[in-house]
Amino acid sequence: SAVISQKPSRDICQRGTSLTIQCQVDSQVTMMFWYRQQPGQSLTLIATANQGSEATYESGFVIDKFPISRPNLTFSTLTVSNMSPEDSSIYLCSALQGDAIAFFGQGTRLTVV
Amino acid sequence: AQSVTQLGSHVSVSEGALVLLRCNYSSSVPPYLFWYVQYPNQGLQLLLKYTSAATLVKGINGFEAEFKKSETSFHLTKPSAHMSDAAEYFCAVSRETSGSRLTFGEGTQLTVNP
Repeated sequence: SAVISQKPSRDICQRGTSLTIQCQVDSQVTMMFWYRQQPGQSLTLIATANQGSEATYESGFVIDKFPISRPNLTFSTLTVSNMSPEDSSIYLCSALQGDAIAFFGQGTRLTVV
Repeated sequence: AQSVTQLGSHVSVSEGALVLLRCNYSSSVPPYLFWYVQYPNQGLQLLLKYTSAATLVKGINGFEAEFKKSETSFHLTKPSAHMSDAAEYFCAVSRETSGSRLTFGEGTQLTVNP
């Protein structure tokens, strides 16, 4: 099965700054998603990354805060903008290939200080 | 709308004992249900999925789950716990068999005592 690589695996950032997380899949996928896992909580879908068009955001998430790009069928980025300590979370990329089950990357652990 | 509730944020069992992790769902459409496991500092790994083919679903590592529509449940079980089963387990629901756009439960941390 395909493998997702996320970069960075972890980072500590100053509040007010932005961080871009990269998600690279080793083969073409039909869909890509971004999830957030806040400390001690479950995973929440942020958005579906659409290739060549604007991402589709879930309720409570907006493009200005979490801009997403997907320039091709194997790559996507999520930017966490103007960070605050509340943005400290694990951010996970997920992808779908054809009819197969969606699979996940290992996540990016973000700490905002 | 869909939702998932996992009863018990922490479950502790002895090695060799039965593992039972509870999951109840709510869905306005026939649900597709999944169990994922997350080991420390790792991503999510699919344990098993229910996509209406059979109500008793067998997964990896000896886990299985039974879909009970009347109880809106999809509890995860394993007859005999192993130390390596210690991890966090997530139940999730999707409108699609592929598991895209998942709605996750709160997670259950499983501890296995020697």
